[in-house]
Amino acid sequence: KQEVTQIPAALSVPEGENLVLNCSFTDSAIYNLQWFRQDPGKGLTSLLLIQSSQREQTSGRLNASLDKSSGRSTLYIAASQPGDSATYLCASSNWANNLFFGTGTRLTVIP
Amino acid sequence: EAEVAQSPRYKITEKSQAVAFWCDPISGHATLYWYRQILGQGPELLVQFQDESVVDDSQLPKDRFSAERLKGVDSTLKIQPAELGDSAMYLCASSSDRAEAFFGQGTRLTVV
Repeated sequence: KQEVTQIPAALSVPEGENLVLNCSFTDSAIYNLQWFRQDPGKGLTSLLLIQSSQREQTSGRLNASLDKSSGRSTLYIAASQPGDSATYLCASSNWANNLFFGTGTRLTVIP
Repeated sequence: EAEVAQSPRYKITEKSQAVAFWCDPISGHATLYWYRQILGQGPELLVQFQDESVVDDSQLPKDRFSAERLKGVDSTLKIQPAELGDSAMYLCASSSDRAEAFFGQGTRLTVV
């Protein structure tokens, strides 16, 4: 079974800093890697999807990279803002389109 | 913008009672998922549908949980009888062919 780990579990940064969230997975035979944002008590919002043939995807201040061979993905957030405060989850998908989630990184951006 | 609709948003029920959740996926999405998320943890798959067929229900506690997607569109997840340990967020998601998954706002279940 795919195991997905996210480090750190929690992170606090001052506004304006650039930051990196890490995601690792045990089975490199993934189909996609997806990053989500979750606000307290709410559902998940998709941020970025990286297909297994891709190395990275960018959306605004967000950049996600994927290294299948090492079983790692990173989410880079540039010029962080208080509105970025949320829990960030990564999920890998297999050939059957099952999604396996990490436990998330809780980000706090301090004004 | 198309969204995954879930209802109710919140549900409080007494243990041993029955409870049901409803999900309407994004139009045209063949794959529908039900996930359970315990506070502080990542979502865990309960059941996955491809159209009206179940493709994975290996983690669904079948003695008390059931799920259906009769016409391959909307879906219902039922718990009977509910137990205290079932208190969690129940999330529905949908996707088209191995593409990006989109989630609804979830149903927060509290069993008392």
